[in-house]
Amino acid sequence: DIQMTQSPSSVSASVGDRVTITCRASQGIASWLAWYQQKPGKAPKLLIFAASNLQSGVPSRFSGSGSGTDFTLTINSLQPEDFATYYCQQADSFPLTFGGGTKVDIK
Amino acid sequence: QVQLQESGPGLVKPSQTLSLTCTVSGGLITSAGYYWSWIRQHPGKGPEWIGHIYYSGSTDYNPSLKSRVTVSVDTAKNKFSLKLNSVTAADTAVYYCVRVSGLYKWNNVVDQWGQGTLVTVSS
Repeated sequence: DIQMTQSPSSVSASVGDRVTITCRASQGIASWLAWYQQKPGKAPKLLIFAASNLQSGVPSRFSGSGSGTDFTLTINSLQPEDFATYYCQQADSFPLTFGGGTKVDIK
Repeated sequence: QVQLQESGPGLVKPSQTLSLTCTVSGGLITSAGYYWSWIRQHPGKGPEWIGHIYYSGSTDYNPSLKSRVTVSVDTAKNKFSLKLNSVTAADTAVYYCVRVSGLYKWNNVVDQWGQGTLVTVSS
C-alpha cells in the first residue's frame, strides 16, 4: 500500500493568512493526488484532483501543486469557512489511501 | 446531482455481521466509469477505503479487510451493499458510501459522498 503522510497535523491561523499543508507519498504517484476538506460531523468534500485541478465550485483561493512524492495544498487569504480538517488521498492505485489529516483552527 | 444515502443498524454485536445499504439517487448505478465504494473513518483519523464494486459486479477490496468484506450491487434497485463479518470494537467507525470516479483526471477520486452513518460494535 502507498502510505500518505501529512504535515503539520494541525495549524493555527487567522482570517486572511496563507496556509500551506504538505503531503508526502511513500512512492511516486505522478500527479494522482486529491485534496479534501472535512468539517465536523460532515463528509469530506473534494477540493482538488490530479494534484492541481480545482473541483467545480471550489474558491480559487485554494490551490494545489506537486508531483511524484511531494505535494502542497495552499489556502490564500483564509476565510472563516475554511477552518476545517484537510486530507490528501493518493489516486494512483488501489487500495486508495488517505493522509492522517491537518486541522486548521483559529489562532 | 447524484446523491448517496446509507442505511442499516447503528449498533452491531461483536462477532456478528455489519450490514449497510447505499441508495443512489439522481443517477444510475450502471453509469460507466464509476466505482461504488465504501469508506470508513475512525474518530480523529483519516478515511480508510474498504472496497468497491463496478456495476458489472467486479469487486476490489482493501487487503487489510478482504477476508471479512463483501460488496454487492442491485442494479434494479440502484443500490449497493456492504457486509463486514466477525466485527470487533475496532470496526466502530463512521461508514460512508461513496462514488469513486474512473474518468480522466478525476481517476480514482471520491467525487460524491453519502452523509455517513456511525456504526458502533458493542454488546
